[in-house]
Amino acid sequence: QKEVEQDPGPLSVPEGAIVSLNCTYSNSAFQYFMWYRQYSRKGPELLMYTYSSGNKEDGRFTAQVDKSSKYISLFIRDSQPSDSATYLCAMSQYGGATNKLIFGTGTLLAVQP
Amino acid sequence: GAVVSQHPSWVICKSGTSVKIECRSLDFQATTMFWYRQFPKQSLMLMATSNEGSKATYEQGVEKDKFLINHASLTLSTLTVTSAHPEDSSFYICSGGLDYGYTFGSGTRLTVV
Repeated sequence: QKEVEQDPGPLSVPEGAIVSLNCTYSNSAFQYFMWYRQYSRKGPELLMYTYSSGNKEDGRFTAQVDKSSKYISLFIRDSQPSDSATYLCAMSQYGGATNKLIFGTGTLLAVQP
Repeated sequence: GAVVSQHPSWVICKSGTSVKIECRSLDFQATTMFWYRQFPKQSLMLMATSNEGSKATYEQGVEKDKFLINHASLTLSTLTVTSAHPEDSSFYICSGGLDYGYTFGSGTRLTVV
């Protein structure tokens, strides 16, 4: 079993839809959770960063962490064609710049105009 | 803040030659940088952790003599693919960061012919 599971998709939605992206994990020690967006042939871009359980909102993006269920989500409201990309969840036990991240496989999202 | 610059963005080399990829932290000091490899439609695979002033830490299964990492200063880490072969063709990405999340370079697409 992988430490982090993520449905690879592809997920296709119409413009304006609410998108839900999810990851599950097995290591209960994970405390730091991140979502990255990666456009084709580019490096990943940090979207959201959360610590422990709870919700965090930034514009059209909302990240949720449920540590009791070992489940994290990213919601995208009013999705746009420019949101079409691969979304990667990542997590770590410790914060700080010296700790490696464990990534999900990524979900490919296509927003149709 | 936390800008990572990676060069070159793409490179084609002949089989048997060596290729160097540079990763620079432009606005922060990076004691640690991470090097990843990504195959098409797959997630990031951590290759090694680069530590300023000391030897890199390689993940299991990564040939340290083939993928040479040097982190001689707080702003520069390099990955050299030695005696490259076609199976080394891939997308290589570096990352570094501050206390929250990580910033990725734009990636280097290596093609070995």
